[in-house]
Amino acid sequence: DVVMTQTPLSLSVTPGQPASISCKSSQSLLHSDGKTYLYWYLQKPGQPPQLLIYEVSSRFSGVPDRFSGSGSGTDFTLRISRVEAEDVGVYYCMHSIQPPLTFGGGTKVEIK
Amino acid sequence: QVQLVQSGAEVKKPGASVKVSCKASGYTFTSHDINWVRQATGQGLEWMGWMNANSGDTGYAQKFQGRVTMTRNTATSTAYMELSSLSFEDTAVYYCARVDVLTNRYFDFWGRGTLVIVSS
Repeated sequence: DVVMTQTPLSLSVTPGQPASISCKSSQSLLHSDGKTYLYWYLQKPGQPPQLLIYEVSSRFSGVPDRFSGSGSGTDFTLRISRVEAEDVGVYYCMHSIQPPLTFGGGTKVEIK
Repeated sequence: QVQLVQSGAEVKKPGASVKVSCKASGYTFTSHDINWVRQATGQGLEWMGWMNANSGDTGYAQKFQGRVTMTRNTATSTAYMELSSLSFEDTAVYYCARVDVLTNRYFDFWGRGTLVIVSS
């Protein structure tokens, strides 16, 4: 199984400041079809996860442009350019290159 | 708009089975796979398996093989996940999630979850 490792476990951010989350996979997420199947989800308190980023760097519909994703192979990063109060929650990376799909352990973002 | 409405919370005894439903609306049910993901309280997300809503084909995580069954009723646009031989460790919120139709690789909409409590 592909192991997804996220760091840090938690972040406390001042509103308006940037934040960055790392996700490393135990094997390359680059598929033979040329796509990289790495996703980012945000789970706000008491809610199901919601998709932020698909295929490393594409923002899902309605996701603010302060969210961006980057990376390749086994190393990926989610960046929030200016954190807002509504961004609090737990962020998860996920791969879908092959079953079983697995998630990172999560990064909890809170506001200072 | 796309909605996945899940059944209500359940309390089960160890050894029993639970069947969770996920009623879809706002899109063509048979056009998208449905996956199930669970989350123990305060823990991370765990993928359980997938089901092709058109054909009924399924694939399960090895951890749940032999204990989980995913089915659907296309007439009512409802997906089901049944988990048997429950243990305390199965206490969790169970989510159904729709898979995107273009790449069939990620979850674009989620149900709100069904809490299953296993207690003696």
